[in-house]
Amino acid sequence: DGGITQSPKYLFRKEGQNVTLSCEQNLNHDAMYWYRQDPGQGLRLIYYSQIVNDFQKGDIAEGYSVSREKKESFPLTVTSAQKNPTAFYLCASSKTGNQPQHFGDGTRLSIL
Amino acid sequence: DQQVKQNSPSLSVQEGRISILNCDYTNSMFDYFLWYKKYPAEGPTFLISISSIKDKNEDGRFTVFLNKSAKHLSLHIVPSQPGDSAVYFCAARSPDTDKLIFGTGTRLQVFP
Repeated sequence: DGGITQSPKYLFRKEGQNVTLSCEQNLNHDAMYWYRQDPGQGLRLIYYSQIVNDFQKGDIAEGYSVSREKKESFPLTVTSAQKNPTAFYLCASSKTGNQPQHFGDGTRLSIL
Repeated sequence: DQQVKQNSPSLSVQEGRISILNCDYTNSMFDYFLWYKKYPAEGPTFLISISSIKDKNEDGRFTVFLNKSAKHLSLHIVPSQPGDSAVYFCAARSPDTDKLIFGTGTRLQVFP
């Protein structure tokens, strides 16, 4: 079955630690995205990548980093510079053009 | 500045009746609009989309209407079912960046 897999489902981080969220897709999509959702808010774009080895900052990239070494993988690192990392993180992918983005089931990150 | 707005945070509808979810946008350059459905602790699921060159798109019980002059789109669900109870997000695509901009969501509750 084709889809997007995010792991882990729940993640806990101590203050001052970096943590990496995994996102893998087997849909052969060129574009991949990371969003953050906070209670009562819409999805806000952190980073996106339209092709391998290339990515762009979204609206709230500060305190985050990404890599796109393979077409199917787009990991997100939440660094210690992100002052309010507790949120629900969603990864998505799409073909280019007028095609809908398809989402994984998310990772909920909490600070201990 | 919120470019995509869903002014109703919640909506309650009786089973069998029509649900109408609304979305307003400010940027006339948006060229593609989507609706997503989201259950708690899951990723959004794509429902239906519409290109800016159309004013209506229908898929089963779901119909999206686009009024470009009013910068307004709506999602109609007929007939509403209890399984439709979820949060619905509208999104708009900016053609120069290829990014989606999401509204804050409307929580739909369908009661028997």
